[in-house]
Amino acid sequence: DIVMTQTPLSSPVTLGQPASISCRSSQSLVHSDGNTYLSWLQQRPGQPPRLLIYTISNRFSGVPDRFSGSGAGTDFTLKISRVEAEDVGVYYCMQVTQIPYTFGQGTKLEIK
Amino acid sequence: QVQVVESGGGVVQPGRYLRLSCVVSGLSFSSYAVHWVRQAPGAGLEWVAVISSDGTKKYYGDSMKGRFTISRDNSKNTLYLQMSSLRAEDTALYYCARDCCSGHEGWGPGYWGQGALVTVSS
Repeated sequence: DIVMTQTPLSSPVTLGQPASISCRSSQSLVHSDGNTYLSWLQQRPGQPPRLLIYTISNRFSGVPDRFSGSGAGTDFTLKISRVEAEDVGVYYCMQVTQIPYTFGQGTKLEIK
Repeated sequence: QVQVVESGGGVVQPGRYLRLSCVVSGLSFSSYAVHWVRQAPGAGLEWVAVISSDGTKKYYGDSMKGRFTISRDNSKNTLYLQMSSLRAEDTALYYCARDCCSGHEGWGPGYWGQGALVTVSS
C-alpha cells in the first residue's frame, strides 16, 4: 500500500500569513494514464471533509484561490497564501492513483 | 440543492451485519464513481471502498476485503455498503462521497454527506 506522510502534524499560523503543508508518498503517484491523482481535503471542526484540490493543483468548485497545490512524483505541497479564521481545521492529502487509496495522517492548522 | 444523505447506522454486536445507504440528489450520480470513507472517533480518515459509475468495478481497503460489499442502484441514485462480521474496530462515522470528476475511479471525493455512525459493541 502507498503510505502518505504529512509534515508538519500541527501548524500554528498567524492570521493573514501564509501556511504550507507537505505530503510525501512512498511510491510515485503517476498513474498509467499519465495523471497524478493527488488530492487535498480540509475538515473543519465538526464537519465532513471537503475537497480542495485534485490532481495536484486543480481547485475544486467553490474553493478560494488562496489555496494552491503543487508538486510531482512523490512530493506535494498545499499552500494557503493568507490564512483566514475559517481555514482552521485538519488538512489531509489523499492518493487516488493506486488501490487501496490512502490518506495522510492529517495536519492540524490552528491560529496563533 | 446538492444533498448526500447516509442512513442505516446504529449499534450492532460484534460479528453481526449492517447495511448503509446513501442517496445523492441535486447532482449527477450515474456518471461518477462513489466512495465510502470512514473516521473512527478522534482519528483520521480511512478509505473504505469505491465503485465505478456503472457498478462493474469495486475496490476495497485491506481490512474490509471479504467483509464489506459496495453496490449501487443508479435508477435510485443510491449507494450501499453491506458490512458483515463487524468488529469493534469498525466503529466509525461512515461517509459517502461522490467523486468530483468522471472517467476514472477516483479523481477525488468531491461531494460528501454528513456521515452515518456505526458502533460495534456488545
